[in-house]
Amino acid sequence: EAQVTQNPRYLITVTGKKLTVTCSQNMNHEYMSWYRQDPGLGLRQIYYSMNVEVTDKGDVPEGYKVSRKEKRNFPLILESPSPNQTSLYFCASGDRLNTEAFFGQGTRLTVV
Amino acid sequence: AQRVTQPEKLLSVFKGAPVELKCNYSYSGSPELFWYVQYSRQRLQLLLRHISRESIKGFTADLNKGETSFHLKKPFAQEEDSAMYYCALRDVHPAQGGSEKLVFGKGTKLTVNP
Repeated sequence: EAQVTQNPRYLITVTGKKLTVTCSQNMNHEYMSWYRQDPGLGLRQIYYSMNVEVTDKGDVPEGYKVSRKEKRNFPLILESPSPNQTSLYFCASGDRLNTEAFFGQGTRLTVV
Repeated sequence: AQRVTQPEKLLSVFKGAPVELKCNYSYSGSPELFWYVQYSRQRLQLLLRHISRESIKGFTADLNKGETSFHLKKPFAQEEDSAMYYCALRDVHPAQGGSEKLVFGKGTKLTVNP
């Protein structure tokens, strides 16, 4: 089954404690991206990757890092999380014609 | 800058009534436009894209370049259509070395009442 898998689905952490949210896709997609979804602000792109070892900043990259060492995985790293990063995070993947064809189920992150 | 505007945060209709979710965009080139749907507690799903001119779950959307709009329509709303709907535009400027990323509107929450 074609899918984008994020882990964990829910996470509560404390300010400053490094965390990683994983994203994996099984469709051999070149393109992957991360979004955060906040009430009243909709979806905002954090980072995206056009291919392995190619990553670029989205609209709100501050406080986040990503890596794309292999095609199927695109982890989102928060080196020092802060409360303003409390949000619902979505990973997406697709091909060049349809970049956000599939979304993961989301990761609800709370930073206290 | 590319921008997608969904003027209605909330839209409520009765079952069987027509529904139109508005989407306006600002773009300097030839846009690619999409509609995504997010049912309660579920992931976003691609609903339709203008280049395929398809109808999914009874929804259609026509790109109107003159009015810079891509409104989503359905003649008879169903309760299961209740969801969050996002309009999105692909930001492509290959001549300027731009990135192929999507720009989303802020979404419209559709509620279909029985």
